Amino acid sequence: GAGVSQSPSNKVTEKGKDVELRCDPISGHTALYWYRQSLGQGLEFLIYFQGNSAPDKSGLPSDRFSAERTGGSVSTLTIQRTQQEDSAVYLCASSLVKGYEAFFGQGTRLTVV
Amino acid sequence: AQKVTQAQTEISVVEKEDVTLDCVYETRDTTYYLFWYKQPPSGELVFLIRRNSFDEQNEISGRYSWNFQKSTSSFNFTITASQVVDSAVYFCALSEALHQTGANNLFFGTGTRLTVIP
Repeated sequence: GAGVSQSPSNKVTEKGKDVELRCDPISGHTALYWYRQSLGQGLEFLIYFQGNSAPDKSGLPSDRFSAERTGGSVSTLTIQRTQQEDSAVYLCASSLVKGYEAFFGQGTRLTVV
Repeated sequence: AQKVTQAQTEISVVEKEDVTLDCVYETRDTTYYLFWYKQPPSGELVFLIRRNSFDEQNEISGRYSWNFQKSTSSFNFTITASQVVDSAVYFCALSEALHQTGANNLFFGTGTRLTVIP
């Protein structure tokens, strides 16, 4: 596609439920990033993919968070047993290769009630 | 250690004033890239500029200009004759090309919220 696409745009879920957030990067981009942004805050790094592998998972806040990327393209971020503190906007970005500018999707606003 | 520091949390200016957003970075790599992004109220991050570590020429794009100084590890962003539409959060970012293999290499500052008052 022309840009990075994320779905859903908004997700409201009950505490304790699992959620899946999807990111469709720009075609041909090998690097993919997930960030989290709480209201009025900066970007919190979650995970970075190079191709299908995730060499850096250092930002995942707990073992309830996991992510995968298949076919060097679509990525899914899964949050299990959601908690209220997981409420935030989850942003995905992709770049052609390491060091190039990253382009961001519009984000998924997650609200845990 | 914080790799990108944006010391100004919030700035307010009156329309048509010039404003400079500061960005100081830290890296041991000799090859790296610096970026500025804009996040308007709509929320989507918009890429503004990429600069590599070997090119210290200042850049101007319309009302926007960037001053890259390796001697002070700074990459400041100036908006000339600010407009209300410039109101947004601006993020500076660093990418380390030779960062340890496999690790995340795209680091963001905490952002500066710019408000342009009409």
